[in-house]
Amino acid sequence: GQNIDQPTEMTATEGAIVQINCTYQTSGFNGLFWYQQHAGEAPTFLSYNVLDGLEEKGRFSSFLSRSKGYSYLLLKELQMKDSASYLCAVRRNQGGKLIFGQGTELSVKP
Amino acid sequence: EAQVTQNPRYLITVTGKKLTVTCSQNMNHEYMSWYRQDPGLGLRQIYYSMNVEVTDKGDVPEGYKVSRKEKRNFPLILESPSPNQTSLYFCASSSREYGYTFGSGTRLTVV
Repeated sequence: GQNIDQPTEMTATEGAIVQINCTYQTSGFNGLFWYQQHAGEAPTFLSYNVLDGLEEKGRFSSFLSRSKGYSYLLLKELQMKDSASYLCAVRRNQGGKLIFGQGTELSVKP
Repeated sequence: EAQVTQNPRYLITVTGKKLTVTCSQNMNHEYMSWYRQDPGLGLRQIYYSMNVEVTDKGDVPEGYKVSRKEKRNFPLILESPSPNQTSLYFCASSSREYGYTFGSGTRLTVV
């Protein structure tokens, strides 16, 4: 089977750093993705990890540990516009099967 | 501009009346997929396609059909819609190496 867990909600302060965790159990792991989704809009791609380690992209970083089935998304210098849902997704095998977690609703407060 | 285009954006229909939601991508991507998104359930994959004439079921395929006759198009067909198919639908496409790029969504209401 497959299971992806991430916290339902998080709150952080503008200018701060927040870490959103994701744990997964799946067969045929072939990459982990993070997406951002504002209410009523389409998800947009943030980051991709297929090997262990940290991928940095401006204010956003993502980490993967395949042996632990664990990833996190790190958002630095938080801005109000970062208030959104953050979706962790795992790709299985070589095909187009991409399974999403239920998302973490992040609220950034002044 | 590279994009995934789905139509219509909004649709209200009655139970049992066949409908098609179109999806087209201009990035020459091999993979295409349909998702539905419901409160508390997140994004769930309905069907996906690895290339022309190659499709496979996702996690919630019941009540839906798809076809991939051309690389750029991947329509979603509801032969006999029911109220439990009221949802926000997203089409997406990707190359082998990267994740999906999503369309703007279709909000479907079945009454």
